[in-house]
Amino acid sequence: AQKVTQAQTEISVVEKEDVTLDCVYETRDTTYYLFWYKQPPSGELVFLIRRNSFDEQNEISGRYSWNFQKSTSSFNFTITASQVVDSAVYFCALSEANSGYSTLTFGKGTMLLVSP
Amino acid sequence: AAGVIQSPRHLIKEKRETATLKCYPIPRHDTVYWYQQGPGQDPQFLISFYEKMQSDKGSIPDRFSAQQFSDYHSELNMSSLELGDSALYFCASSLDPRGATNEKLFFGSGTQLSVL
Repeated sequence: AQKVTQAQTEISVVEKEDVTLDCVYETRDTTYYLFWYKQPPSGELVFLIRRNSFDEQNEISGRYSWNFQKSTSSFNFTITASQVVDSAVYFCALSEANSGYSTLTFGKGTMLLVSP
Repeated sequence: AAGVIQSPRHLIKEKRETATLKCYPIPRHDTVYWYQQGPGQDPQFLISFYEKMQSDKGSIPDRFSAQQFSDYHSELNMSSLELGDSALYFCASSLDPRGATNEKLFFGSGTQLSVL
């Protein structure tokens, strides 16, 4: 069973639209970490955020915001007023206690295309 | 701030050849992780090292081997290359083997390996 599910394979929006990328995870651990990474066309993985399972506070960083809900095992990512430079593949990832927090399990990624 | 350095950035090899990828972790980081990302795929964990010893192993083929040296840099050696080995290979580093517990988990820019 997939541990991290990003059901949206590709999303296309027009600049200045808001967009939410969904992430649903599965784990038996009570302590775990969730991540979001951005992979632009140049290929590098850019760290965006890490969230501890005990911290359900939503976070906002500029145009980015994250909604962590343990009740639904979701860690969704919203970009407000999207820009062309936001075009990238976005990966949600999980690290669990039973792996010693040593590795990340990634979702399949969501490709976001922002057109002018 | 210094990041994870990977070399080379691009590598082109023929089938059945060997390849060596290098990773230089962030200074004072003692743990390195290798991930493989096939075209259109999510990154998959291969192997990790802590204090020059293998600490975790994922889906790494037997044709691949890796090690971590006394200066903490790591090398991924791939032999008898196959077309399916064409991928983006990422390295990440952390202060200890519980990588996800680090406030931020950074990846290198990756090495794009193309096997012809």
